[in-house]
Amino acid sequence: GAVVSQHPSWVICKSGTSVKIECRSLDFQATTMFWYRQFPKQSLMLMATSNEGSKATYEQGVEKDKFLINHASLTLSTLTVTSAHPEDSSFYICSARGPRAADTQYFGPGTRLTVL
Amino acid sequence: LAKTTQPISMDSYEGQEVNITCSHNNIATNDYITWYQQFPSQGPRFIIQGYKTKVTNEVASLFIPADRKSSTLSLPRVSLSDTAVYYCLVGDEGDSSYKLIFGSGTRLLVRP
Repeated sequence: GAVVSQHPSWVICKSGTSVKIECRSLDFQATTMFWYRQFPKQSLMLMATSNEGSKATYEQGVEKDKFLINHASLTLSTLTVTSAHPEDSSFYICSARGPRAADTQYFGPGTRLTVL
Repeated sequence: LAKTTQPISMDSYEGQEVNITCSHNNIATNDYITWYQQFPSQGPRFIIQGYKTKVTNEVASLFIPADRKSSTLSLPRVSLSDTAVYYCLVGDEGDSSYKLIFGSGTRLLVRP
């Protein structure tokens, strides 16, 4: 299957700092990328959907000013957690897919964010 | 809200066949059904995807009845390493992005 990478795989930061997470589709063009977050023992929660060259669409309850998403190319999307706080500590997972209904959505390996 | 319903957990033994059934009563005409496997602290891994009837690959089979209101993932001869959470998802065509909303998944425990 197609490969989606994330960087970094884990990050520890101090409260109040900003953290950027990169998501790349390595062998296909991702017209749409998604960002999820997952707390321990829970399911994945969709945060936002981004289409290449367009503004991201955020799910209800997700602060767009806190979680900045950029999808500048067909292979790269970034999530920036601004002014991170301990409650933002979580496992962040991106996924990517092509434009057709039959296109499979492939997930990255995830990024563990710990805010001290 | 997730568009699928599946058992919270299942137990099995090594070497057995495991069938996990998922209900998706409101599946739309253009929706595909996709199953993922997730291990702790990893991203979901694609298992299989189908639209109707039966799909088989090297790791699993997916059975979809004619009305498409349910689907069954079949894992032949499971091993201990198949212990994981399995998610059944259908795409949401509403905004053409086909976003996937995750339900609680099925926690499969394979015992020796």
